[in-house]
Amino acid sequence: DSGVTQTPKHLITATGQRVTLRCSPRSGDLSVYWYQQSLDQGLQFLIQYYNGEERAKGNILERFSAQQFPDLHSELNLSSLELGDSALYFCASSVDVRVNEQFFGPGTRLTVL
Amino acid sequence: AQSVTQPDIHITVSEGASLELRCNYSYGATPYLFWYVQSPGQGLQLLLKYFSGDTLVQGIKGFEAEFKRSQSSFNLRKPSVHWSDAAEYFCAVDRGSTLGRLYFGRGTQLTVWP
Repeated sequence: DSGVTQTPKHLITATGQRVTLRCSPRSGDLSVYWYQQSLDQGLQFLIQYYNGEERAKGNILERFSAQQFPDLHSELNLSSLELGDSALYFCASSVDVRVNEQFFGPGTRLTVL
Repeated sequence: AQSVTQPDIHITVSEGASLELRCNYSYGATPYLFWYVQSPGQGLQLLLKYFSGDTLVQGIKGFEAEFKRSQSSFNLRKPSVHWSDAAEYFCAVDRGSTLGRLYFGRGTQLTVWP
């Protein structure tokens, strides 16, 4: 158990819908990262937050957004969902803005039908 | 372009045999290097990391990795594989900037024969 929690574990929805994925980092970690894992793209970095502020953006679509709240949990919002958004979404956390060690949550498997 | 290459998509070994998983990266400077393991239905677990210093690093579960600057490689090794090592292994790189993101290879799926 890494100490990073993600909910829900599975999510099945339809095209055009909007979903929210939630992540709670390890106790004491200020930095949260979101990654997408798909068969065709592999593991891709989406976005990073540090202590409530966005710090880095990767291959994140405009339909996707994220935020980190004062209690340091983070949410990834995916809207206007397409079939190709079906993937495993991981959250990771680390102590500070430098990567050091990133601890990964168990992931949320999103299926868009 | 920055890239992390794991040339072996799938490796099969017998239990008790030695294992080496390859990883090459293409960056100008020495990045920070990581190996993660992903079991089915699980998240990624950090096996070991290299930041600086001794180029042979020890990790959990009996794994080790060697950083070779001249070859831009960070290969993962285990002298004797156990059936429970069957999983997918990912090499990851941090460029060493302040961004903190990881670049992952495509992974190597390890099958262990009894």
